Amino acid sequence: GAVVSQHPSRVICKSGTSVKIECRSLDFQATTMFWYRQFPKQSLMLMATSNEGSKATYEQGVEKDKFLINHASLTLSTLTVTSAHPEDSSFYICSARKVGGVETQYFGPGTRLLVL
Amino acid sequence: AQSVTQLDSQVPVFEEAPVELRCNYSSSVSVYLFWYVQYPNQGLQLLLKYLSGSTLVESINGFEAEFNKSQTSFHLRKPSVHISDTAEYFCAVGAGSARQLTFGSGTQLTVLP
Repeated sequence: GAVVSQHPSRVICKSGTSVKIECRSLDFQATTMFWYRQFPKQSLMLMATSNEGSKATYEQGVEKDKFLINHASLTLSTLTVTSAHPEDSSFYICSARKVGGVETQYFGPGTRLLVL
Repeated sequence: AQSVTQLDSQVPVFEEAPVELRCNYSSSVSVYLFWYVQYPNQGLQLLLKYLSGSTLVESINGFEAEFNKSQTSFHLRKPSVHISDTAEYFCAVGAGSARQLTFGSGTQLTVLP
C-alpha cells in the first residue's frame, strides 16, 4: 500500500497564531511531497513542491514566509502557517511520491484549518 | 504548461445507469493522466491512471477511462453506478520535469435512488 497521514485533521486557532501541519508517508519513503490548498467546492491548487533535504519550490503567488515548509526526512514534511488570518482558513492536503516510483502521488486525508 | 478542463461541474444520474465524466487536457509535452475521487471532508483517492501502454485503463470498482491522444481526452466511464459512487471526481495531468499535477475543477457525481 501507500498510506499518507496528516496531523491534525482539524484545527481551530486565533488570528495571529501559527499552526503546524504534519504530513507523513507511513509505509514508503517519499523523495517529493506536495502541498495543496482547496477552497470549498473548488479544485486543488498546488502551493509548493518539497524535496527531502532541500528548500521547497513555491508556486507563483504563494508567500514562502507565510507558508513555511520543511522536509527533513523521507517520511515527513511539515507546513507551518505563520501568523494565520481568517483568509488562511482552508482545507490543506499533502501528497507524496515514492522514491524511485513513477508519477503517482498518494494523498493524505487533509487538514481543515479555521482561523477565527 | 498544461491545463485540464472538466466540462461538467455536476452530474446527477440514477442508480444502475451508465455515466461518463468528461476530461480534456492540453499540454505541449507527453503527459500522465489520473482520475482521483474525493468523498466529503476527505483527501483524494487514486481511482485510475494512464502512464503508458494500453490506452484503456480500469479501476477495481468498475470505472474505466480511455486516453485519446488525438482528442486530448481522458473521459471516465462506468456502465452501472451505485449510490456509493456519489463523490467529487477530479481529473489531473502530470507533466514536466517536476511531475507536478494540474487538476481540473472537479465533477460532483450524485447517484440518485
